[in-house]
Amino acid sequence: SQTIHQWPATLVQPVGSPLSLECTVEGTSNPNLYWYRQAAGRGLQLLFYSVGIGQISSEVPQNLSASRPQDRQFILSSKKLLLSDSGFYLCAWSPPVGRNRAYEQYFGPGTRLTVT
Amino acid sequence: DQQVKQNSPSLSVQEGRISILNCDYTNSMFDYFLWYKKYPAEGPTFLISISSIKDKNEDGRFTVFLNKSAKHLSLHIVPSQPGDSAVYFCAASPGANNLFFGTGTRLTVIP
Repeated sequence: SQTIHQWPATLVQPVGSPLSLECTVEGTSNPNLYWYRQAAGRGLQLLFYSVGIGQISSEVPQNLSASRPQDRQFILSSKKLLLSDSGFYLCAWSPPVGRNRAYEQYFGPGTRLTVT
Repeated sequence: DQQVKQNSPSLSVQEGRISILNCDYTNSMFDYFLWYKKYPAEGPTFLISISSIKDKNEDGRFTVFLNKSAKHLSLHIVPSQPGDSAVYFCAASPGANNLFFGTGTRLTVIP
């Protein structure tokens, strides 16, 4: 079965510091990968998605970036955090387009980021 | 612009009764709809989905209804149990890699 991991679970960082959140998926190959943010009291906002190694699409302009160095690894980064970057960050995966149930996304446990 | 809307931020239901969570969408290109359940400090868990070619899909206590002409879908939980208390997100896909999420409805099932 497939498993998705995220770490760290919680993170407190000062304004201006860098960020690196990691997500890995097990039990599947060539997944589509996603980064979402849930701000307090709001829905899920898609930040980035990737259909393959080195292929990143950005949905919202911001000071965050994403990278996919390996097939099942997705990294969310920032060079300098802002207060507004605080939130709950979720990684998700889905089967590639053309596979059965490719529309369904499966989420990791999330990372609670607090920028102080 | 919020393309998927959940207009009820919260809902309280007695244990054993039916819970009905509603969702409206604006984009007629959406062809796949999903419901997720989320507990605090956890990632959303996929519950049930429906393709636009259907109007109903059932999985145990959960049933999703789709009314394409009204651009409306609903999730029915029967009977409701205290463990169902969570935030429920509706999501819709236009067939590409994107899922558009609603803002969620917090369901409280009262024992």
